[in-house]
Amino acid sequence: GIQVEQSPPDLILQEGANSTLRCNFSDSVNNLQWFHQNPWGQLINLFYIPSGTKQNGRLSATTVATERYSLLYISSSQTTDSGVYFCAVDPYNNNDMRFGAGTRLTVKP
Amino acid sequence: GAGVSQSPSNKVTEKGKDVELRCDPISGHTALYWYRQRLGQGLEFLIYFQGNSAPDKSGLPSDRFSAERTGESVSTLTIQRTQQEDSAVYLCASSPQKMTGGTANEKLFFGSGTQLSVL
Repeated sequence: GIQVEQSPPDLILQEGANSTLRCNFSDSVNNLQWFHQNPWGQLINLFYIPSGTKQNGRLSATTVATERYSLLYISSSQTTDSGVYFCAVDPYNNNDMRFGAGTRLTVKP
Repeated sequence: GAGVSQSPSNKVTEKGKDVELRCDPISGHTALYWYRQRLGQGLEFLIYFQGNSAPDKSGLPSDRFSAERTGESVSTLTIQRTQQEDSAVYLCASSPQKMTGGTANEKLFFGSGTQLSVL
């Protein structure tokens, strides 16, 4: 099946710093989403981004489908950004979403 | 409801007992997913429903696991003869109707999960 690899596995930032999280996938996809899991376990959908670039406040994401990767940018990080960021993909002609192992982000005050 | 609702939020059971976990998706969402997340790990796909049908059961870990969905709404995940390795958070998600042919899939919305502890 499709492989989804996220990097880095862990990231520690000082408040105010910027960061880039990466998601590589091994096959063509028609659906890619980024999620944030907060320290209480709740998963929140950040972006639905099978291709192109989207921005939402301090967060933005870019997916280059032809090169099979996606990037999540976090600017001016805040302590509330802490948690685990997951990338999930749905390969063509499959009907499920497969998750990467996540990037655990810790933002220190 | 406004969001995906799961119950119970916590379940402690003894090894060998059966458990039933419930998911109420967002009203009108025809796609429903179950995932398992062990402590500190990523999400493991279990099963997916389109309407009341489960086209992909490949993620169910063993024949002790089963799931059903009725009325294109509520879904239950049943684990028979629970084992300690079944301890995890079980997450349910729903999304609006999927298109066939792999186009125009939609966002996933997650519930808060059921924390299952098998003693």
